[in-house]
Amino acid sequence: KQEVTQIPAALSVPEGENLVLNCSFTDSAIYNLQWFRQDPGKGLTSLLLIQSSQREQTSGRLNASLDKSSGRSTLYIAASQPGDSATYLCAVRGATDSWGKLQFGAGTQVVVTP
Amino acid sequence: EAGVAQSPRYKIIEKRQSVAFWCNPISGHATLYWYQQILGQGPKLLIQFQNNGVVDDSQLPKDRFSAERLKGVDSTLKIQPAKLEDSAVYLCASSSTGEQPQHFGDGTRLSIL
Repeated sequence: KQEVTQIPAALSVPEGENLVLNCSFTDSAIYNLQWFRQDPGKGLTSLLLIQSSQREQTSGRLNASLDKSSGRSTLYIAASQPGDSATYLCAVRGATDSWGKLQFGAGTQVVVTP
Repeated sequence: EAGVAQSPRYKIIEKRQSVAFWCNPISGHATLYWYQQILGQGPKLLIQFQNNGVVDDSQLPKDRFSAERLKGVDSTLKIQPAKLEDSAVYLCASSSTGEQPQHFGDGTRLSIL
């Protein structure tokens, strides 16, 4: 059974510092991995999706890497801003899943202080 | 395009009562998902529809939870009777196919007294 873990559970950084968020998974047979952002009282917003054949994806200040063999992904957010304060979740889709089922981690709650 | 719509946003009920949630997915999206998110945890898939057929309900507590998707569009999730451990946010998501990214609604926050 796939287990997805995100450590730390919470993180506080001063504005301008780079953020590094970690995600690990136990079964390397994945189809893709996705990073989401969740603001309080809101649903999830997809940030980046990495296919199993890719090593990284970039969007603006966000960069996500994937090391499938070691079961790890890292989300980097450059030059953090107070608006980056949110909970960040990673989710994996299994390689044998035909219907797009996602297995989520519990998330890392990020606070960026001005 | 309009996003995934869910109602109500909040619901407070007493244990053993029943409750229903409604979801309207993005127009044209064939795949619809219901997730349960307990405080401090990631979302857990309860049920997934492809058009109006169920493709995964392995984690749905079928003795108390039920869901349907009318004509392959709107969906309702019902809990009857509710237990204290059902307190959570219920998220609906949709995608054009199971291969495409999921788009989430803002959820319904359920509190059981």
